[in-house]
Amino acid sequence: EPEVTQTPSHQVTQMGQEVILRCVPISNHLYFYWYRQILGQKVEFLVSFYNNEISEKSEIFDDQFSVERPDGSNFTLKIRSTKLEDSAMYFCASTEEGAGQPQHFGDGTRLSIL
Amino acid sequence: DQQVKQNSPSLSVQEGRISILNCDYTNSMFDYFLWYKKYPAEGPTFLISISSIKDKNEDGRFTVFLNKSAKHLSLHIVPSQPGDSAVYFCAASAVSGAQKLVFGQGTRLTINP
Repeated sequence: EPEVTQTPSHQVTQMGQEVILRCVPISNHLYFYWYRQILGQKVEFLVSFYNNEISEKSEIFDDQFSVERPDGSNFTLKIRSTKLEDSAMYFCASTEEGAGQPQHFGDGTRLSIL
Repeated sequence: DQQVKQNSPSLSVQEGRISILNCDYTNSMFDYFLWYKKYPAEGPTFLISISSIKDKNEDGRFTVFLNKSAKHLSLHIVPSQPGDSAVYFCAASAVSGAQKLVFGQGTRLTINP
């Protein structure tokens, strides 16, 4: 069964450094998402991406965050200058086009900011 | 943000019996509801969904019920198996627009042999 893959599984970064989280969505999917889960909290929506542009973003997704689909397969989340509070699990998800399609998630990247 | 709530942080059920997980929502714009299962160190795995035009959807041992007037949905697992032990998340979205998911806090289900 096709799956969403995320790399790395764990990223440790010094505060203030840039970090790029990578995702390979399911190949025929057209909508892409990033979510995060801070330890002990809910899974929260960050951003959605369709047709090579952001379709919606949350308040969390400020100017320090950006997303890109640099080629036909990868979908990346960049945090320009990391803060301690960016420490979380980051999940990528994708879905087919069309109403009422479930999102399929990767196994996440655990981001630890020191 | 309490648009989707799962009021039971944990649930313990005997193997072979029915597990019932509950979820409430407040946003009337939600019209698509999903249940995900999550094991440690893995991402959420899609289980079953229901659109607001239905009140029940069944897939094998899993059934989701939707009560729109009460803004309540539930997931029934019968019979429960040890492999069902995991954290279960309820999620909701509005089908129009970006279809972002709003998640509940999760319920940890433990199936006892």
